[in-house]
Amino acid sequence: DTEVTQTPKHLVMGMTNKKSLKCEQHMGHRAMYWYKQKAKKPPELMFVYSYEKLSINESVPSRFSPECPNSSLLNLHLHALQPEDSALYLCASSQDRPGGFQETQYFGPGTRLLVL
Amino acid sequence: AQSVTQLDSQVPVFEEAPVELRCNYSSSVSVYLFWYVQYPNQGLQLLLKYLSGSTLVKGINGFEAEFNKSQTSFHLRKPSVHISDTAEYFCAVSSPARQLTFGSGTQLTVLP
Repeated sequence: DTEVTQTPKHLVMGMTNKKSLKCEQHMGHRAMYWYKQKAKKPPELMFVYSYEKLSINESVPSRFSPECPNSSLLNLHLHALQPEDSALYLCASSQDRPGGFQETQYFGPGTRLLVL
Repeated sequence: AQSVTQLDSQVPVFEEAPVELRCNYSSSVSVYLFWYVQYPNQGLQLLLKYLSGSTLVKGINGFEAEFNKSQTSFHLRKPSVHISDTAEYFCAVSSPARQLTFGSGTQLTVLP
C-alpha cells in the first residue's frame, strides 16, 4: 500500500476563518512533507517533519501552522489566510532512513484551497 | 546547490508517436533523479527514479529515462504515447536533506 490520503479534497474559506488540512499514511514512513502548488507551477516545499519533529520550515508565514500528532498523521492549520494562498496543498511521505535522500516521496491527491 | 531545468514547457505530440521530455540537472553531490507525473486535478505519481547502477531506467506506463552524467541529463522517453499520457511531467533531484528540487514542468498533450 503506497497511499497517502488527504482531506478535504476541496476547501473554500474566508480570510477570517480557521480551518485544518489533514494527511494520513499507513506505510510506516517517518518523514512527512507539506507542499504548496500554484497552477502551472511545480510544488514548493513548506515543511518537513522527521520522526514527528519539525526539521525544515521554508520561511512559511505563521498563518500556516503544521502539526504532527503521530507518525501517521500530519495536519496543516490555517488561520487568517490571504487570497494569494489559494493553491493545491500536497502532502507527501517517505521512509526517512539515515542517509536516505534517495528515498521516494509518495504524494497524496492534494487539497484544493480557495481563499475568498 | 542543486537545480533542474526542463527545457520544454509544452510538448504536443500525436497519438502513437514517440516522445522525449528533456531534463538537465546540476548538483554538487551524488545525484538521485526522479520523474513524476501529475494528471489533471491529482497529486504527483512517481514514474521512475535513478539512484545508481544502469543508466537506463524503466518506469511505469512504458516510460523510460536515460541518465547521462557527462551531459548532466535525465531525459524521459516513450516509444508510443496514448491520449491517457496527457499530463504534466516533473523532473526532480533529491538533496541530502531529503528536499526535492523540481523542474518547472512539461505539459505533454497527446493529440488524436
